[in-house]
Amino acid sequence: AQSVTQLDSQVPVFEEAPVELRCNYSSSVSVYLFWYVQYPNQGLQLLLKYLSGSTLVKGINGFEAEFNKSQTSFHLRKPSVHISDTAEYFCAVVDTGRRALTFGSGTRLQVQP
Amino acid sequence: SQTIHQWPATLVQPVGSPLSLECTVEGTSNPNLYWYRQAAGRGLQLLFYSVGIGQISSEVPQNLSASRPQDRQFILSSKKLLLSDSGFYLCAWSDVSGANVLTFGAGSRLTVL
Repeated sequence: AQSVTQLDSQVPVFEEAPVELRCNYSSSVSVYLFWYVQYPNQGLQLLLKYLSGSTLVKGINGFEAEFNKSQTSFHLRKPSVHISDTAEYFCAVVDTGRRALTFGSGTRLQVQP
Repeated sequence: SQTIHQWPATLVQPVGSPLSLECTVEGTSNPNLYWYRQAAGRGLQLLFYSVGIGQISSEVPQNLSASRPQDRQFILSSKKLLLSDSGFYLCAWSDVSGANVLTFGAGSRLTVL
């Protein structure tokens, strides 16, 4: 069965500082991996996805993530955050043979001036 | 381009009353459709998904049901709401030929009093 763990429920960071949001997954087969962002009272927006190929994936808004199969991780990074990056971030996984994504519990990124 | 609509955006209902949330997708055919629920301070829980008209898969036994009367319409219902049904409900779709990349609607916030 597929599962996702986001160890950090909240990550406070100062503006222009780097940030890493951690994501670990569990699956017995090949997977696709995703990061979504949710702004208050809105739906989720896709930040980036890993399907195959290069393990370093670049997404929107300057975010990137690296797929590490040996550590079953897909951590999200940004070298310099902005106030506007304050939001909830969700990691998600799906086994390549399944239809529905499993989401982590989310990490709230709070960017402070 | 494809768009997804959800309504109503907010809903306040008394315990024991019925529920109907609607979701429609435009600009695509035969999409996979999903209902997720996001409880306060928690991640996303998959409730139902559908791969075609009349085909509904339930992930979690509960007080809710789903129907897909038309190719691009997905409805979430309840005959009698419980307090625990309160939450943020998100509809999503994915292309059957894609890698399960979900596109979400704006969400429907349900408060049961």
